[in-house]
Amino acid sequence: GAVVSQHPSWVICKSGTSVKIECRSLDFQATTMFWYRQFPKQSLMLMATSNEGSKATYEQGVEKDKFLINHASLTLSTLTVTSAHPEDSSFYICSASAGTHNSPLHFGNGTRLTVT
Amino acid sequence: AQTVTQSQPEMSVQEAETVTLSCTYDTSESDYYLFWYKQPPSRQMILVIRQEAYKQQNATENRFSVNFQKAAKSFSLKISDSQLGDAAMYFCAYRASYDKVIFGPGTSLSVIP
Repeated sequence: GAVVSQHPSWVICKSGTSVKIECRSLDFQATTMFWYRQFPKQSLMLMATSNEGSKATYEQGVEKDKFLINHASLTLSTLTVTSAHPEDSSFYICSASAGTHNSPLHFGNGTRLTVT
Repeated sequence: AQTVTQSQPEMSVQEAETVTLSCTYDTSESDYYLFWYKQPPSRQMILVIRQEAYKQQNATENRFSVNFQKAAKSFSLKISDSQLGDAAMYFCAYRASYDKVIFGPGTSLSVIP
């Protein structure tokens, strides 16, 4: 149980285009989803927290207009990287929590984004 | 603000031996949860073990166990009978109730055959 599906697993796009990454909880309802960014050999950096039906809460330094997050249902959250630039190239990982206060996070497999 | 520290960027262990990974954290909360996650080269995050702060008993999952010292804000992971498949990045993580999860910088574990 507790499977999180993230799609696509990798994507290459040109500068200036937008890319959408989907995160789905397949067998549980995710009241909260988190989006992380990970650079090579580094830890996970939290970008934003999204709760179903409300606006995402962004971490300091994360541009909300560049990284659009939508959590339209209890099983789906999307991250859209708008007007992508090469510096946005990274590994993006979503995770979902079932909502109980001691729930661990269940992670998607991540998306490797390369902007050329 | 809560912080998580892992003072060992890299560790190595001989196959079948035991290794302990260190983690300390800083918080003013009394109710929180601690986790160890494993990230192999596939980059999939895998939950290894978790500990509720209100529980005094240390959590155990097969070959994995923790030494939770609440007063010292220490949460170390012990891996017994190390296997080649244990080689990975290990992240210590903290979560206050209904709050975001904060990760430490990670420890890269190598297992020597």
